[in-house]
Amino acid sequence: NAGVTQTPKFRILKIGQSMTLQCTQDMNHNYMYWYRQDPGMGLKLIYYSVGAGITDKGEVPNGYNVSRSTTEDFPLRLELAAPSQTSVYFCASSHIGGPTDTQYFGPGTRLTVL
Amino acid sequence: GENVEQHPSTLSVQEGDSAVIKCTYSDSASNYFPWYKQELGKRPQLIIDIRSNVGEKKDQRIAVTLNKTAKHFSLHITETQPEDSAVYFCAASWSDSNYQLIWGAGTKLIIKP
Repeated sequence: NAGVTQTPKFRILKIGQSMTLQCTQDMNHNYMYWYRQDPGMGLKLIYYSVGAGITDKGEVPNGYNVSRSTTEDFPLRLELAAPSQTSVYFCASSHIGGPTDTQYFGPGTRLTVL
Repeated sequence: GENVEQHPSTLSVQEGDSAVIKCTYSDSASNYFPWYKQELGKRPQLIIDIRSNVGEKKDQRIAVTLNKTAKHFSLHITETQPEDSAVYFCAASWSDSNYQLIWGAGTKLIIKP
């Protein structure tokens, strides 16, 4: 199993540009999450999904969108990138226990907005 | 909303000594408290967790204690080793958000040789 994979590893965007961060898991997990991690801070939940076709907002959803058309994939879309979105983005997944089950993280995407 | 405070932000201990990291939470309905370890440049990984119906859990050199009355939980690492150097994050489930996790800001643990 590859677990949770993310692409790209690094990306530099200009203000106002858009991009999609890709996340795929091969563990057949129902739950998937997107977090951002700012320097010296903990993780902040952006969006989560409890299964294909179902998504919900987390703590910091503004400026982002998600979709979940399959169990495996959970892309995160940034529209009109802003410097405040400079961060490391982690995708995670968990099994049937949801957020109170072990969350398996991807390797992260380091995004810089200039 | 839910808040999780984590202390200290940095902890330096001599190899072989014990390390203790403490977290406090605000939601009395929180029922799940995991600890994740993040090595430099790597992804967070679960090291131990505890649920609200248990007061203590141990896994080899690592233990977690929970005081529901005081709303705090702690990570204890005994006989620290160089590979314990990392950032440790606590988290608590938030009942108002379908028990999604709210995370502490992290503790950088430095093991001195």
